Amino acid sequence: EAEVAQSPRYKITEKSQAVAFWCDPISGHATLYWYRQILGQGPELLVQFQDESVVDDSQLPKDRFSAERLKGVDSTLKIQPAELGDSAMYLCASSNRDKDGYTFGSGTRLTVV
Amino acid sequence: AQSVTQLDSQVPVFEEAPVELRCNYSSSVSVYLFWYVQYPNQGLQLLLKYLSGSTLVKGINGFEAEFNKSQTSFHLRKPSVHISDTAEYFCAVSDWHGSYIPTFGRGTSLIVHP
Repeated sequence: EAEVAQSPRYKITEKSQAVAFWCDPISGHATLYWYRQILGQGPELLVQFQDESVVDDSQLPKDRFSAERLKGVDSTLKIQPAELGDSAMYLCASSNRDKDGYTFGSGTRLTVV
Repeated sequence: AQSVTQLDSQVPVFEEAPVELRCNYSSSVSVYLFWYVQYPNQGLQLLLKYLSGSTLVKGINGFEAEFNKSQTSFHLRKPSVHISDTAEYFCAVSDWHGSYIPTFGRGTSLIVHP
């Protein structure tokens, strides 16, 4: 069964450092999403890509977060500088059609110390 | 704007008992509805979805949900739970805002006791 790959699974970083997460969606899925999930809450959308273009990044804190999907396949989410409040699970998801639901990766658990 | 309310943060239940996890939504237009399950330190897995048609939707692992438009609800049910059903369950709703990006509820923790 096809999966969304994410790495690393866990990341511990000091505040003010830079950190990056990688996602490889299911082959053929044009739409890719990055979500942030704070412990005890539901996922919140950070950014949506359609192929290599950003469709929605209205909830992305652009002063410190950036995301790219240069070739329209895999994607990288970066935080620089990391803050204590960024500690969360970062989930990547992809879909063929939004209304069919998403396939999520296993996520990257970020801890900022 | 769409929103989702999961009325129970935790639902404890004994093994083989029935369970219902409640979800209410608000939206001014037609919606698509989803339930996802999340096991510890894992991503979310789609359990079932309602797009149109029959209001009773069957999903994986023996779960089902009923769409009630008049009550704006989409409650998840299982007639007999197993220990392995212990997980976090998220309801999500999406309507058209240029794309169908869903809004997730805060989640309900289902705890199945032996």
